[in-house]
Amino acid sequence: DAGITQSPRHKVTETGTPVTLRCHQTENHRYMYWYRQDPGHGLRLIHYSYGVKDTDKGEVSDGYSVSRSKTEDFLLTLESATSSQTSVYFCAISGGRAYNEQFFGPGTRLTVL
Amino acid sequence: QKEVEQNSGPLSVPEGAIASLNCTYSDRGSQSFFWYRQYSGKSPELIMFIYSNGDKEDGRFTAQLNKASQYVSLLIRDSQPSDSATYLCAPEKGGSEKLVFGKGTKLTVNP
Repeated sequence: DAGITQSPRHKVTETGTPVTLRCHQTENHRYMYWYRQDPGHGLRLIHYSYGVKDTDKGEVSDGYSVSRSKTEDFLLTLESATSSQTSVYFCAISGGRAYNEQFFGPGTRLTVL
Repeated sequence: QKEVEQNSGPLSVPEGAIASLNCTYSDRGSQSFFWYRQYSGKSPELIMFIYSNGDKEDGRFTAQLNKASQYVSLLIRDSQPSDSATYLCAPEKGGSEKLVFGKGTKLTVNP
């Protein structure tokens, strides 16, 4: 298994509170991604990073920010959580080989009450 | 037109049969195509990728690609109950390091 961990694995929070999810990799891969997965929508890209301090928006970036200060860590922040951000969040990494294969972390289940 | 379309299923096949999973995509710039398997409550797991027209075989799995028709498929031979999962098709977003995921096809293999 690719060396990817996510923390926390489960979190329940209240509307309006800030939340930070962490993705940590030990593979030294260049690219890191944050997705959310919801019934009826599949996996949707929130933000991605193509290097330290280099990030860009995905298709559902509103309400989310990211930071990558080290190759191994990619943080996703919900500045003020809303119930619509209740979801399962997956981190993925790629860059170890030539064809954009992405490998996923175990996921974080976030519930916003 | 949706970027990636898959039959949501559920697709039900008997044990030992061939399961055929299909996917169409709209981005003609896509060069690489990936199939992921996702068990309920788990993260997606890469099982196959293909980038040339034709077939690519890996064990019981065969990926097929037809870029002219913008069609990619996954065949699972000798299906086992352990193959029961949702299968996600993910073409590369042309010219980028991003993938676009279909909503997945749920496969059930009945003993």
